[in-house]
Amino acid sequence: QVQLVQSGAEVVKPGASVKVSCKASGYTFTDYAIHWVRQAPGQRLEWMGWINAGQGDTKYSQNFRGRVTITRDTSATTAYMDLSSLRSEDTAVYYCTRGVGGRMEFWGQGTLVTVSS
Amino acid sequence: EIVLTQSPGTLSLSPGERATLSCRASQSVSSSHLAWYQQKPGQAPRLLIYGASSRASGIPDRFSGSGSGTDFTLTFSRLEPEDFAVYYCQYYGSSPYAFGQGTKLEIK
Repeated sequence: QVQLVQSGAEVVKPGASVKVSCKASGYTFTDYAIHWVRQAPGQRLEWMGWINAGQGDTKYSQNFRGRVTITRDTSATTAYMDLSSLRSEDTAVYYCTRGVGGRMEFWGQGTLVTVSS
Repeated sequence: EIVLTQSPGTLSLSPGERATLSCRASQSVSSSHLAWYQQKPGQAPRLLIYGASSRASGIPDRFSGSGSGTDFTLTFSRLEPEDFAVYYCQYYGSSPYAFGQGTKLEIK
């Protein structure tokens, strides 16, 4: 069965960076895209970007102004989301999802990132 | 950039009732790229409907989606206790892939 297992919760200081991992199993990793979506407390879901796990090409939301980088390691069937210059408004649950043409069929369990000094 | 607005913000109904949730796009969009998700407290969202009207794998047929242009609807023919959750619509025809602000379906 398809599974996306994310790394654990993080507490980071303002201005720092965080890297969240997403380990995929149960399917051919390189056949699908991985999207990253976040949800701040009480807010709507917000799409951050995606990576074609096969080719490695990426696309990002302009809302993050170059602060987000998505990578993957095909040998480890793992995708990564790196968010830099963190501020309090970045406190959120971050999800990875397996995408098919933009629809998000399977989701990881989520990773809480708390930005606090 | 597409903006999705959902209504109502909260809907209070009883199990067994019929429910209709609305999602309006800021401009006409392709129905081929409109999805609905269910999210329960402390859980990740779950894909219910894609292409405006196609049910995702394992989704019961009491859920149905419809619409075109700027107006889309998620309908529950008969609410079950496990259906009370927050529902989000999403447009995925072009990035940034937008989500609505959600409708909370609560037990009356």
